[in-house]
Amino acid sequence: SQTIHQWPATLVQPVGSPLSLECTVEGTSNPNLYWYRQAAGRGLQLLFYSVGIGQISSEVPQNLSASRPQDRQFILSSKKLLLSDSGFYLCAWSPPGTGDGYTFGSGTRLTVV
Amino acid sequence: GENVEQHPSTLSVQEGDSAVIKCTYSDSASNYFPWYKQELGKRPQLIIDIRSNVGEKKDQRIAVTLNKTAKHFSLHITETQPEDSAVYFCAASITSTGANNLFFGTGTRLTVIP
Repeated sequence: SQTIHQWPATLVQPVGSPLSLECTVEGTSNPNLYWYRQAAGRGLQLLFYSVGIGQISSEVPQNLSASRPQDRQFILSSKKLLLSDSGFYLCAWSPPGTGDGYTFGSGTRLTVV
Repeated sequence: GENVEQHPSTLSVQEGDSAVIKCTYSDSASNYFPWYKQELGKRPQLIIDIRSNVGEKKDQRIAVTLNKTAKHFSLHITETQPEDSAVYFCAASITSTGANNLFFGTGTRLTVIP
């Protein structure tokens, strides 16, 4: 069966520090991968998606970036965090060629101080 | 891109009563409509979904209806229980080859009062 792993679970970082969140999927090949952010008490905002290695698309302009160095690995990064980057970050995957059946990772709660 | 609106933002019902959450979408090409339940501090989990070739789908106490003409879909929970208390999100996407991004509503916080 397929599983999705996301880490770390919580993170407190100072303003201006770098960020790296990692997500991996097991049990499937060539998944679609997604990064979402959820601000406190708010909805889910799509940040990045990827349909294959090295293929990254951004939905919103920001100081975050994403990379997909391996088929089942998706990384969210920032060179310098802002206070507004605080939130609950969720990685998700869906079977290739279809968006149905999204499965979310357990999330990373990021607090920028 | 797709714009999904969800109402109400909060909903309180007595245990045993029904709850209805409504969503509208803007892109007539959207053809897949899932609903997610998110408990506090946890990941959203898929509870039911519907495709545009179906008008209604039911799974025990949960049902979803879709009106393609009006571009709206609804979640119905019957015989609510305290464990149904959570935030519910609707979403819409166009499923095709390639990436299929889900666009989410802003969520409904459902509270079931024992």
